[in-house]
Amino acid sequence: DAGVIQSPRHEVTEMGQEVTLRCKPISGHNSLFWYRQTMMRGLELLIYFNNNVPIDDSGMPEDRFSAKMPNASFSTLKIQPSEPRDSAVYFCASNLGGVPYEQYFGPGTRLTVT
Amino acid sequence: EDQVTQSPEALRLQEGESSSLNCSYTVSGLRGLFWYRQDPGKGPEFLFTLYSAGEEKEKERLKATLTKKESFLHITAPKPEDSATYLCAVQASGSARQLTFGSGTQLTVLP
Repeated sequence: DAGVIQSPRHEVTEMGQEVTLRCKPISGHNSLFWYRQTMMRGLELLIYFNNNVPIDDSGMPEDRFSAKMPNASFSTLKIQPSEPRDSAVYFCASNLGGVPYEQYFGPGTRLTVT
Repeated sequence: EDQVTQSPEALRLQEGESSSLNCSYTVSGLRGLFWYRQDPGKGPEFLFTLYSAGEEKEKERLKATLTKKESFLHITAPKPEDSATYLCAVQASGSARQLTFGSGTQLTVLP
């Protein structure tokens, strides 16, 4: 299995621009998670989906952030408009949605907003 | 609120010098405790899941143990390739899927 796939791996954009991050979960996994990692706050859960349905988006920092999962093999995280404080590494993870509960992470997208 | 505290923040060992990393947790009912390894520029790599106090799991030079309040990751005779940040996370029985992560222990093993 190829594991969780994320694109792009690196994104540099200017403040105010729209940014879209993409994720393909492991085949057969029905739960998908978006995390953000910074030095100050560590790994934070932004939102997770179960069977393509958003279950908890309480970690989404503000309305500039939105996430979709149109099918079982694809999800996007969008930031519009982007701000310098959004600079971080964004990870996507997936799991079976049941036992075992461990989540498998993608390689991440390093976002820099100037 | 679920909380995870890892110590020490950073640890430097000589190759072959065994040690332990600590993960203390507060959770309203533990569904699972997870250990991950993260290398620079990469995503966290799953190592172990522990479900109940007294449980132990091993993988090569790593051994994870669990009590009702904390977990230890024991590293026996480490090698330089064991250098990484080790993350601990908990999943509460009341939460459907969320993991709460600690801030990690950055391990450096010197040759």
